[in-house]
Amino acid sequence: DIQMTQSPSTLSASVGDRVTITCRASQSISSWLAWYQQKPGKAPNLLIYKASSLESGVPSSFSGSGSGTEFTLTISSLQPDDFATYYCQQYHTYPFTFGPGTKVDIK
Amino acid sequence: EVQLVESGGGLVKPGGSLRLSCAASGFTFSSYSMNWVRQAPGKGLEWVSSISSSSSYIYYADSVKGRFTISRDDAKKSLYLQMKSLRAEDTAVYYCARTHQAGDYLSSLDYWGQGTLVTVSS
Repeated sequence: DIQMTQSPSTLSASVGDRVTITCRASQSISSWLAWYQQKPGKAPNLLIYKASSLESGVPSSFSGSGSGTEFTLTISSLQPDDFATYYCQQYHTYPFTFGPGTKVDIK
Repeated sequence: EVQLVESGGGLVKPGGSLRLSCAASGFTFSSYSMNWVRQAPGKGLEWVSSISSSSSYIYYADSVKGRFTISRDDAKKSLYLQMKSLRAEDTAVYYCARTHQAGDYLSSLDYWGQGTLVTVSS
């Protein structure tokens, strides 16, 4: 199975900060990576697919990059609504696997 | 508007069975692969199972293989997860989710239901 790791596990930031989350795969997954945002008690929300494609309706402050085994999610200017937990997921191969999550909280 | 509504969760004893359902609307259900993803209380997301359009391809996580069965009824626009031999570690919110690309079973998950809680406890 492909293992996904994320760093950091928790990130404290302020409104307006630029935030970067890293996701690594245990083997190459090309660009078959998605990023999701999840708020407490809610279902995950797709932000980015194919490593860098912005899902419809997602603010342009979110961007994704990377290929192979290393990927990043960047929020260019953190907004109050962005405080949440973020997960990466590979869909190169079954079983699909998710990263452990990165919680972005208020500094 | 795409909607996915799960039902069937509840409290069940270890070793028991439960059948989850996911009612879909707002899109051509038969054209999309569908998935179940779960989240244990306070934990991260775990993919459980996927079924392709026309049920040609079915996949399971090792943790549920042999105990869970995914199925779909395109006429009813519904997805199911039959769960048997349930264990305490199966306690989680179970989400159904649609694959992003019609006709593609290797895809991100673009629409999710609100989830249904399964609690396995004596």
